[in-house]
Amino acid sequence: DAGVIQSPRHEVTEMGQEVTLRCKPISGHNSLFWYRQTMMRGLELLIYFNNNVPIDDSGMPEDRFSAKMPNASFSTLKIQPSEPRDSAVYFCASSLSDRREQYFGPGTRLTVT
Amino acid sequence: AQKVTQAQTEISVVEKEDVTLDCVYETRDTTYYLFWYKQPPSGELVFLIRRNSFDEQNEISGRYSWNFQKSTSSFNFTITASQVVDSAVYFCALQAGNNRKLIWGLGTSLAVNP
Repeated sequence: DAGVIQSPRHEVTEMGQEVTLRCKPISGHNSLFWYRQTMMRGLELLIYFNNNVPIDDSGMPEDRFSAKMPNASFSTLKIQPSEPRDSAVYFCASSLSDRREQYFGPGTRLTVT
Repeated sequence: AQKVTQAQTEISVVEKEDVTLDCVYETRDTTYYLFWYKQPPSGELVFLIRRNSFDEQNEISGRYSWNFQKSTSSFNFTITASQVVDSAVYFCALQAGNNRKLIWGLGTSLAVNP
């Protein structure tokens, strides 16, 4: 079975540009999570959805970040405008709502210059 | 407040040695879940195990074993007869109550040398 799919795997962009990260969860999973990993702050939850509805977005850094889940098989995380401090690895994870473990995608390494 | 502490930042061992990775957690919830994930050099996060707060049985899976002790709020991970392929960063994480948010430790970087 396919795992969580993320695209792109690497993104290099200039400050001020819009960045869109994409995620396809494991088929049948109804919870989806976006995390960010940096050396300074470790792994942080940005937002999570249950049945396509945002449940907790308290980790979203600021208004420059937005996330959507238009259907059960697709989610986006958008940063507009991007800043150098947004450089990080962004992970998407999914789980079944009656299971606690989360399965992670390969991550998107974002570099903002 | 919820917190996970992995006091060991880096560990280096020689192949075939046993190694234990420590994890101490804090939560006031009576129902919680503990996890270990592995992050190899390739960067992905691999789920290893989940433990429920109401199940203190230790678990063994091949060379891996986990020791959950509520009395000391610890959930330690032991690799027996380590191999070079075990080299990775290992993260301990906590989920408390109904919240699905994972609270992460800062990770322990394990280097297994031939």
